[in-house]
Amino acid sequence: GAGVSQSPRYKVAKRGQDVALRCDPISGHVSLFWYQQALGQGPEFLTYFQNEAQLDKSGLPSDRFFAERPEGSVSTLKIQRTQQEDSAVYLCASSQKGREQFFGPGTRLTVL
Amino acid sequence: QQQVKQSPQSLIVQKGGISIINCAYENTAFDYFPWYQQFPGKGPALLIAIRPDVSEKKEGRFTISFNKSAKQFSLHIMDSQPGDSATYFCAATLSGGYQKVTFGTGTKLQVIP
Repeated sequence: GAGVSQSPRYKVAKRGQDVALRCDPISGHVSLFWYQQALGQGPEFLTYFQNEAQLDKSGLPSDRFFAERPEGSVSTLKIQRTQQEDSAVYLCASSQKGREQFFGPGTRLTVL
Repeated sequence: QQQVKQSPQSLIVQKGGISIINCAYENTAFDYFPWYQQFPGKGPALLIAIRPDVSEKKEGRFTISFNKSAKQFSLHIMDSQPGDSATYFCAATLSGGYQKVTFGTGTKLQVIP
């Protein structure tokens, strides 16, 4: 009866490194979302998947950000050449199509 | 572009008091307005939600008031308890499609004994 899980929970990267953040959605959830939450702010939408199809990536801040969900379950958010402004909590949420989103605990990324 | 504005940024309320958080939105296409509660180290969790065809929705100690003409809505927490201490986000979305959520900036609520 697990909820959405994310790993790692904390990631420290040196500026310029690539990072990969993993999301395990609730089993059977078709929809998967990634959000970015800066310190003291509300989450901001990054991208949306329906099964394996990435239907909306309008919130990705630059071409250094890439997300995938190749088999329609686990998703990975990859950030290339990390910058200090990428420091934030990255939240994953999943839902049955059109229903309530359930959020994971997030991955806190710190770029030094 | 901040489409959902939220105030206050922080709020301290005594146990048993009423906590009030206000939000305003700009996009008239929004038709579903959820509130989320977030504890430190956790993701947001849906608390209560309202559609604009009703002016008020109550669930236990939590009430949403909605003013469609003013494009404003608020959360009232009655008989606030220390366990309510958390960050609260108002949000807005479109009920059709995949419901990309637009969040407010959050209100950090502290309920003191």
